[in-house]
Parts: sequence; C-alpha cells; structure tokens
Amino acid sequence: GAVVSQHPSRVICKSGTSVKIECRSLDFQATTMFWYRQFPKQSLMLMATSNEGSKATYEQGVEKDKFLINHASLTLSTLTVTSAHPEDSSFYICSARRLAEWGEQYFGPGTRLTVT
Amino acid sequence: TQLLEQSPQFLSIQEGENLTVYCNSSSVFSSLQWYRQEPGEGPVLLVTVVTGGEVKKLKRLTFQFGDARKDSSLHITAAQPGDTGLYLCAGGTASGTYKYIFGTGTRLKVLA
Repeated sequence: GAVVSQHPSRVICKSGTSVKIECRSLDFQATTMFWYRQFPKQSLMLMATSNEGSKATYEQGVEKDKFLINHASLTLSTLTVTSAHPEDSSFYICSARRLAEWGEQYFGPGTRLTVT
Repeated sequence: TQLLEQSPQFLSIQEGENLTVYCNSSSVFSSLQWYRQEPGEGPVLLVTVVTGGEVKKLKRLTFQFGDARKDSSLHITAAQPGDTGLYLCAGGTASGTYKYIFGTGTRLKVLA
C-alpha cells in the first residue's frame, strides 16, 4: 500500500499564533510531497511542491514566508502557518510521490484549520 | 497559468440515470487523473490516462482523454447514490517538478 497520514486532523488556533501540520508517508519513501489548500465547496489549489533536502517551490500567489514548508526526510514534510489569521482557515491536504514514480501521488486525509 | 474548467459545476440526478462530466483546458497535459472526494477527506484516485484518445473503463465509469490531451470526460452509467461526491480532474505538467493542477470540480448528488 501507499498510506499518507496527516497530523493533526483538526486544529483550532487563535489569530496571530503559528500552527504546524505534519504529513507522513507511512510505508514508502517520498522524494516529493505536495501541499494543497481547499476552501469549502471548492477544488484543491496547489500551494507548493516540497522535495526532500531542498527548498520548497511555491506556486504563484502563495506567500512563502507565511506558509513555511520543511521536507527534512523521505517520510516527513511539515507545513507551518505563521501568524495565522481567520482567512487562513481552510482544509489543508498533502500528497506524497513515491521514489521513482513520476506521476502517482497519494493523498493524506487532510487537516481542518480554524483560526479564531 | 494552466486552468482546468469542469462542467457542470453541480449535478443532481436520479438513481439509474447516466451523466457525463467534462474537463477542459487550453493547455496540453502530459497526463490526466480523475479523483473523487468525500467531505472532510482527501481525494481518492479513480484513474490516470496518459495517451491522447485513450479510453479507460472502471465498472460503470468510462474515462476518455482528448486526442490533443487538452480535455477529458468522465461518463457514469446507471448512477447510484454511492457515486455522490466531488469529482476532480487533475492535469499533469512537467514544468520543473512533475505536478498536477486540479480542475474546478463537479459536485454530484445521486438521489435514491
């Protein structure tokens, strides 16, 4: 199998604080992980591509200083939302690509972030 | 910016009816995937098509990739309530790291 987990599944934080979301590939090594954002009743928007051991590549319009991505190992990537505001409230989903597989990506279950 | 437009945005049909969802772009994609997503969960991959004109069948679902690899369709025969969900197409692009850009989504509701 190819299982991807995310932690936490839900988080509520106060405006101005930072929150970290973890994405782990449980049974495979992932050279590349992707972070998506999804607003209610909308599609997924790619935020950034994270390659193990190198800096993340952010999509146009995504603030890299606000959404810090670290991919320190072949099984873990983290997304930190810094100085969160209510408009950052969203569903954050990660996906992971297995080593040597060019097209397949396996999605995590998502993290619901609510900023109060 | 590559965009993938899906139509219709919303679809509510009776059990047993057939339906088609379209995914269109002005850009060429190396591959195209279709996903279904339930509320509060990550998307689940249904199929990947890579060759222009390719047709794949998955039980009652038929997927087609356009000849020019700019568009795709998903046809469901005899829809069932269990088909209810958000259907997403995603185009694969090799600019830099290979990545997928998601379509705008089609929300399907099948009534019993």
